Amino acid sequence: AQKVTQAQTEISVVEKEDVTLDCVYETRDTTYYLFWYKQPPSGELVFLIRRNSFDEQNEISGRYSWNFQKSTSSFNFTITASQVVDSAVYFCALSGLNTGGFKTIFGAGTRLFVKA
Amino acid sequence: DVKVTQSSRYLVKRTGEKVFLECVQDMDHENMFWYRQDPGLGLRLIYFSYDVKMKEKGDIPEGYSVSREKKERFSLILESASTNQTSMYLCASSPPQTGRRLEAFFGQGTRLTVV
Repeated sequence: AQKVTQAQTEISVVEKEDVTLDCVYETRDTTYYLFWYKQPPSGELVFLIRRNSFDEQNEISGRYSWNFQKSTSSFNFTITASQVVDSAVYFCALSGLNTGGFKTIFGAGTRLFVKA
Repeated sequence: DVKVTQSSRYLVKRTGEKVFLECVQDMDHENMFWYRQDPGLGLRLIYFSYDVKMKEKGDIPEGYSVSREKKERFSLILESASTNQTSMYLCASSPPQTGRRLEAFFGQGTRLTVV
C-alpha cells in the first residue's frame, strides 16, 4: 500500500525565518514519483516540484529547496527566508509506477502561516 | 498557461438533489481527475478518466458518478446529495502518462455544502 504522511498539521513562523515541511512516504514500488504542491487561499493547487525515485540529488529553486532521502523515505521541503506570500497549505504526493495506476496519493497537508 | 476551470466556486444544495460539478480544461490533456479535499484527509481520488467515454473508479467512488463525453470536459455527478458529501471538490488534468508521472494541473475548487 502507498501512504504519505505529513505529520505537521500547522506551522506558524515569522517572516524571514526558515521553515521545513516534513514528508514521509511508504511504497512497495521501486519506481515512483514524489511531488510537492502549494494551495494558496485562492484554492487552486500549484505544482512545485517532481522527483523520481532514482534521482536523490537535492534541488534548490530560489528560496525553495527539497531534500530527498530514500534511506528514510522522506522528501522534505524547506523555505528559506519565508515571506507572507508563502502562507498556504502544502501537499506532498506520491505516484507509483508499478502499482496504483494513475492514482496519486496525497498527504493530509501542512498549513503554513507566515506572519509579518 | 494551462487552464482548468470549474463551473462554480461555491454551491449549496439540498439533501437528495442531483448535483452536477463541471470541469473544463484547455490543454488537450487525456487524463482528468476528480478529488475530494477534507481537513486532515488530504485529497482523495473519486474518479478519473484517461480518454473520452472512459472512466475508472478512484478510492472513494460511492455516491458519485462521472461523465466524459468530450475530451475537454469531465463532469462529477452526485446522484442524490447527502450531507456527508459536503466538501471541497477539485478537478485536475494531466498529459498522458507515458512511463513518467507528470504533474497534474488543478482547478480552483468547488466548495459544496449539502443542507
